[in-house]
Amino acid sequence: GAGVSQSPSNKVTEKGKDVELRCDPISGHTALYWYRQSLGQGLEFLIYFQGNSAPDKSGLPSDRFSAERTGGSVSTLTIQRTQQEDSAVYLCASSSRGQIFGYTFGSGTRLTVV
Amino acid sequence: GESVGLHLPTLSVQEGDNSIINCAYSNSASDYFIWYKQESGKGPQFIIDIRSNMDKRQGQRVTVLLNKTVKHLSLQIAATQPGDSAVYFCAEKRRTSGSRLTFGEGTQLTVNP
Repeated sequence: GAGVSQSPSNKVTEKGKDVELRCDPISGHTALYWYRQSLGQGLEFLIYFQGNSAPDKSGLPSDRFSAERTGGSVSTLTIQRTQQEDSAVYLCASSSRGQIFGYTFGSGTRLTVV
Repeated sequence: GESVGLHLPTLSVQEGDNSIINCAYSNSASDYFIWYKQESGKGPQFIIDIRSNMDKRQGQRVTVLLNKTVKHLSLQIAATQPGDSAVYFCAEKRRTSGSRLTFGEGTQLTVNP
């Protein structure tokens, strides 16, 4: 597609439920990133995929968080047993290998845990 | 810990004035700095970047200045327009962190007509 697409745009879930957030990067972009943005805060790195290399998971806040990228394209971020502190906007970005710093971000998924 | 941060959380300017948004960083192992603009309900949008071996870079109505001596980065917006109202983030790419970026907390720029 023309841009990075994220779904759903908004998600309200009950505490303790699992959620899946989807990111569809720009076609041909080999790098995909997940960031989290809490209200009034900057962006917190979560995980990074680059081609077929092992992902950089160093930003995942707990083992309740996981992500996968199938076929080098679509990525799913899964949060298990959601907690209220997981409420945030989850942003996905992609970039081509030669543009490692010029990310293109999606509009994000606003997750609210009640 | 090491971080990228901004001096002011909010900045209000009159339309037509120049805006200066500041950022301080503490990590010397950064090879790129980037400014992003985030409008309400949207993801951050790339504005301009600067390599660590440069002092200044200009774009369309924007200039980024890098002072490595005091570890300070600024974004200057000329003739600020209402459409420039947004949150502005600085971010750094560290040599030891692959292509992941470390973001500051953001400055809310409000342009008054």
